Amino acid sequence: DIQMTQSPSTLSASVGDRVTITCRASQSISSWLAWYQQKPGKAPKLLIYKASSLESGVPSRFSGSGSGTEFTLTISSLQPDDFATYYCQQYDNYSPWTFGQGTKVEIK
Amino acid sequence: EVQLVESGGGLVQPGGSLRLSCAASGFTLSSYWMSWVRQAPGKGLEWVANIKQDGSEKYYVDSVKGRFTISRDNAKNSLYLQMNSLRAEDTAVYYCARAAHHFDYWGQGTLVTVSP
Repeated sequence: DIQMTQSPSTLSASVGDRVTITCRASQSISSWLAWYQQKPGKAPKLLIYKASSLESGVPSRFSGSGSGTEFTLTISSLQPDDFATYYCQQYDNYSPWTFGQGTKVEIK
Repeated sequence: EVQLVESGGGLVQPGGSLRLSCAASGFTLSSYWMSWVRQAPGKGLEWVANIKQDGSEKYYVDSVKGRFTISRDNAKNSLYLQMNSLRAEDTAVYYCARAAHHFDYWGQGTLVTVSP
């Protein structure tokens, strides 16, 4: 199985900060990577797919980059609504798809 | 508007069974792979199972193989997860999700608790 490792596990930041989250795959997944945002008690929400494609309706302050085994999610200017947990997910193969362990973005 | 609504969760004893349902609307179910994803309390996300548009291909995470069965009824716009031989470690919120490779739409989830 392909293992996904996110860093950091927790990130403390202030409104207006530029935030970067990293996701590493245990083997190459080309650009088959998605990013999700999850708030407590809610379902995850798709932000980015195919490593860098912004899902419709998602603010442009979110961006994704990378290919192969290393990927990043960047929030250019953190907003109050962005405090949440973020997950990466690989879908290189139909089976099995795997998620990173999550990165919690907290208020500093 | 795409909507996915799960039902069927609840409290079940270890070794018991439960069948989850997911009602889909706002899109043509038969055009999409569908998935179940779960989240144990306070933990991360775990993909559980996938099913192809016509039900001809199904895939499972190793921990549920032989115990869980994913199925669909496109005529009823519904996705199912039959869960047998349930264990404490299956306790989680179960989400159905539309699987366009990535998961572009999710339901609100249904809680399954496995406890004596």
